[in-house]
Formats: sequence, structure tokens, C-alpha cells
Amino acid sequence: DSGVTQTPKHLITATGQRVTLRCSPRSGDLSVYWYQQSLDQGLQFLIQYYNGEERAKGNILERFSAQQFPDLHSELNLSSLELGDSALYFCASSVASGALSEQYFGPGTRLTVT
Amino acid sequence: GENVEQHPSTLSVQEGDSAVIKCTYSDSASNYFPWYKQELGKRPQLIIDIRSNVGEKKDQRIAVTLNKTAKHFSLHITETQPEDSAVYFCAASIGYSSASKIIFGSGTRLSIRP
Repeated sequence: DSGVTQTPKHLITATGQRVTLRCSPRSGDLSVYWYQQSLDQGLQFLIQYYNGEERAKGNILERFSAQQFPDLHSELNLSSLELGDSALYFCASSVASGALSEQYFGPGTRLTVT
Repeated sequence: GENVEQHPSTLSVQEGDSAVIKCTYSDSASNYFPWYKQELGKRPQLIIDIRSNVGEKKDQRIAVTLNKTAKHFSLHITETQPEDSAVYFCAASIGYSSASKIIFGSGTRLSIRP
């Protein structure tokens, strides 16, 4: 157990809908990262937050947005869902914001868009 | 843009033999190179990492080498065991004081034959 929690574990929804994925970082970690992993694909970095502020952006679609709250939990919002958005979404946390900090991954949320 | 290439995509070795996975990166500013292991249905977990000021690092049966001139780094697993079967991801990261951006390779599915 990495100490990072994600809810829900599974999510099934229809195209065009909007969902919110939630992540709670390890105690003491200030940075949260979001990743998308499609079937048999690698990990695509989406976005990073540090202490409530956006710090780095990867290949995140405009239909997706995220935020980190004062209690440091983070939410990833996916809207106008398409079939291709079906994937495993991981969040990870680290102590610091720089890349030299080990990232601890949560168990992931499996999103299925039908 | 930044890119990390990983080879091979699949690798099958006899139990007890060594396995080598290779990655190249494009951004010469990259300064942190973690390796993650992802077992089927589970979260990625850091198994070893190396920073740009080091050429080699070893942890029991696992070692990583880095050649900054060639922008190339490799994972070496010796005396492979069945529990080494998993997907392995390399990554290259650029760390700044306020942000980090990490690019993952496409993964190598390692199978250990009994």
C-alpha cells in the first residue's frame, strides 16, 4: 500500500457524460500528479499540482481539468467523454515538486465509457 | 518535444538468466531517471532510480546504468525469478525547483520462463 488513495475504483459511464476522479496523497506529500494509461499503453503524464497550484502540464485534453484543494486532495474532471477516454487513471504523490522526488502511485480508477 | 524510447517491447528470458531493458531520451536537460515495475492489474512501483550525476546504481539483483553523452540508460536484472514477470517502464524527468515533468517509455513486458 503506497498510502495514496483513489476513488472510485471503477467507473462506467456513457459518452458525453462528465465524471470526477478523486485522489488523496500520502500524508505529508504536497505534489499530486495525474496519469492516463490506456489498454496496453504506457503512462501518459497529464498534469501536476503542488500545494494547490498547477505546476506542469502534459498531454491533457481541453475537456479534462484538475485541481488541488487546500487539504491537498485532488480531483480530475473529465467532460464530454468519448470512447477513447476509457483507460486507467492513476494519481501519484511526492513530497516535493521537483522531479527528483520519488512518486508513489495510487491504485488507479478504471474508467469505462460506453 | 520530449520523447523516451524503450526497447524491447516484450522480453522472455529463462529463469536465472539476466534481462536488459534499454531506453533513450531526447531532452538533454533530463536529470532523473526512474524505473517502475507494474504487475498485472496493479499500480506502478518504483524499483530503482538514478540521477544525472551518477553513472551506475545497483540494488541487489537490479542495476541501472546511465550514459548522459549518448542519452541512454538501461535496466539490468540478474538471476531472474518468476516474480520478476511484469511490465517495466523507464522514465526521464526534468526537475526544477518549482515543477517537474516526467515522460515514460512505452513499457517492456518481461516474462520469466520456468
